[in-house]
Amino acid sequence: QITLKESGPTLVKPTQTLTLTCTFSGFSLSTGRVGVAWIRQPPGKALEWLALIYGNDDKRYSPSLMNRLTITKDTSKNQVVLTLTNMDPVDTATYYCAHRRLPAYYGIDVWGQGTTVTVSS
Amino acid sequence: SNELTQPPSVSVSPGQTASISCSGDKLGDKFACWYQQRPGQSPVLIIYQDNKRPSGIPERFSGSNSGNTATLTITGTQPMDEADYYCQTWDSNTPVVFGGGTKLTVL
Repeated sequence: QITLKESGPTLVKPTQTLTLTCTFSGFSLSTGRVGVAWIRQPPGKALEWLALIYGNDDKRYSPSLMNRLTITKDTSKNQVVLTLTNMDPVDTATYYCAHRRLPAYYGIDVWGQGTTVTVSS
Repeated sequence: SNELTQPPSVSVSPGQTASISCSGDKLGDKFACWYQQRPGQSPVLIIYQDNKRPSGIPERFSGSNSGNTATLTITGTQPMDEADYYCQTWDSNTPVVFGGGTKLTVL
């Protein structure tokens, strides 16, 4: 059974860097056919994809946020870490990590419970 | 363009058929997935590869994709189907693209 769980601060100040950790189980992030994605959802708004990392360390970023995002993995700990720099109140959202496998038509098949992050001074 | 357009809301009576559209440039040349998100919950994959259902997803959910439009159809809609629905695809530059979401109201 695949599970993922997000962790990190619930409140950050403007201009700070957000660091979120996704701890997963039930799969190994060691092949290029398996990945972990980060997706966020501002209150009352739509889902927005942020970043994706595959087991072969192939990394992809949202074009609109790529200058602020970094995604890394620690295979030994079964963790994926997302950092988002220069936080702004518009970055207030629930942040999800999720499992994805290739081919892409399989979709994002397992999601974490999400973690809510508020940006406020 | 990799934008996906969904109607903001769709209403349906219990027991009737609901259809939710998702439009994008040459979407039919790619594959579409659909997610259901109930209030306060994480999204759940309900359709992948245009028309396939993951294990545990009821048969009343079906999908199609042709031309520029993918469609999620719920046959015999139940009150528990009231939720937000998101379509998703990808392209060579952006591995995940979501639609703006559709709020399905069952009344």
